[in-house]
Amino acid sequence: GDSVTQMEGPVTLSEEAFLTINCTYTATGYPSLFWYVQYPGEGLQLLLKATKADDKGSNKGFEATYRKETTSFHLEKGSVQVSDSAVYFCALRATYNQGGKLIFGQGTELSVKP
Amino acid sequence: EAGVTQFPSHSVIEKGQTVTLRCDPISGHDNLYWYRRVMGKEIKFLLHFVKESKQDESGMPNNRFLAERTGGTYSTLKVQPAELEDSGVYFCASSQAATKTGETQYFGPGTRLLVL
Repeated sequence: GDSVTQMEGPVTLSEEAFLTINCTYTATGYPSLFWYVQYPGEGLQLLLKATKADDKGSNKGFEATYRKETTSFHLEKGSVQVSDSAVYFCALRATYNQGGKLIFGQGTELSVKP
Repeated sequence: EAGVTQFPSHSVIEKGQTVTLRCDPISGHDNLYWYRRVMGKEIKFLLHFVKESKQDESGMPNNRFLAERTGGTYSTLKVQPAELEDSGVYFCASSQAATKTGETQYFGPGTRLLVL
């Protein structure tokens, strides 16, 4: 079945460091891909998304490119801030599933130190 | 515009008791989803409503879980009787058009359930 695999955390970085959180997927066809973020004490928020191969999603300085050839959707940010500390979830929505069910990775906790 | 709300935010119950979680979706959203994150693992789908109808309940773990959405507005998820392995964070999400590619699901803050 469809699945998403994320790099395990926690990830600890210093402020202004470069961030990469790896995400790979297994799916039938061409799924839509998402990154959600959960800040401490809050719910999940959509960070960015991409709906077809080679699309780049971006928001708040974060970027991720939909790579069909490597079945990946890695999250990157050039310079992280303390306020980026959160749990990041990669997810897919399979094209065959018209109900919109999301399949998530296990989440990666990011801690940014001043 | 109000977001997805969930109640309670936390619940601590003993094994064998009953707990009911509530979700209020964004007004006008026909699609409502329940998800669960157990023990820091991945977030897993439980079920999907379209208005008041259950579209997909393939993720419901067993018959101790009962979800309803009377009138197609808010939804409740009842766990009866609760077991230790039911502990986790229960998320609710809503969206307008589930069939639209890339349609965004808006999530609530979650209910943290602890079964002792």
